[in-house]
Amino acid sequence: AQSVTQLDSHVSVSEGTPVLLRCNYSSSYSPSLFWYVQHPNKGLQLLLKYTSAATLVKGINGFEAEFKKSETSFHLTKPSAHMSDAAEYFCVVSDYSKSTFGDGTTLTVKP
Amino acid sequence: GAVVSQHPSRVICKSGTSVKIECRSLDFQATTMFWYRQFPKQSLMLMATSNEGSKATYEQGVEKDKFLINHASLTLSTLTVTSAHPEDSSFYICSARDLGQGAYGDYEQYFGPGTRLTVT
Repeated sequence: AQSVTQLDSHVSVSEGTPVLLRCNYSSSYSPSLFWYVQHPNKGLQLLLKYTSAATLVKGINGFEAEFKKSETSFHLTKPSAHMSDAAEYFCVVSDYSKSTFGDGTTLTVKP
Repeated sequence: GAVVSQHPSRVICKSGTSVKIECRSLDFQATTMFWYRQFPKQSLMLMATSNEGSKATYEQGVEKDKFLINHASLTLSTLTVTSAHPEDSSFYICSARDLGQGAYGDYEQYFGPGTRLTVT
């Protein structure tokens, strides 16, 4: 069994300030972990993924995430938010049989 | 590489009719495809897992007689919403996993762009 908890349903930051979106997971196996972004009325875009290699994963658009097995966390960060980062973000855990999505975090970026 | 397409991107149908949505892996073979549904301002919910050449596995609460899934080849899966009603209006997204990918501990699914279904 697997599950994902995104700890914040909404995060609001000012443009140019750091972004932190938190994700905890549970899995019976060694999972793959992903962060996706979804802009309004659009499909999913993969930001980054962890697949049992380096624990610090760098993704697109300046995002990165750190896999911490002891804390069962996979938090997403970005040093400096842009207005274009405003969107819905999903943390996903996958094993051989299926993927499970978190409930999502809405990121608002204020000018 | 690893592109998944869906057709149509948008469809409007009348209540009581059936609608078919296609999901294709364009540049890889996929033994397994997944179908998700997303209601406004909600997350994606897995509806069913589709394996080539066998019956789909439906998640609890999903009516298999209403949502017919056919995975006839390694590159095509279809979802048919039968006797659609307004409550079936949603964003339907498919995904596919590359054949043999999981052997390396990489369980990435490649997502299609989605199909927005509106039932009037």
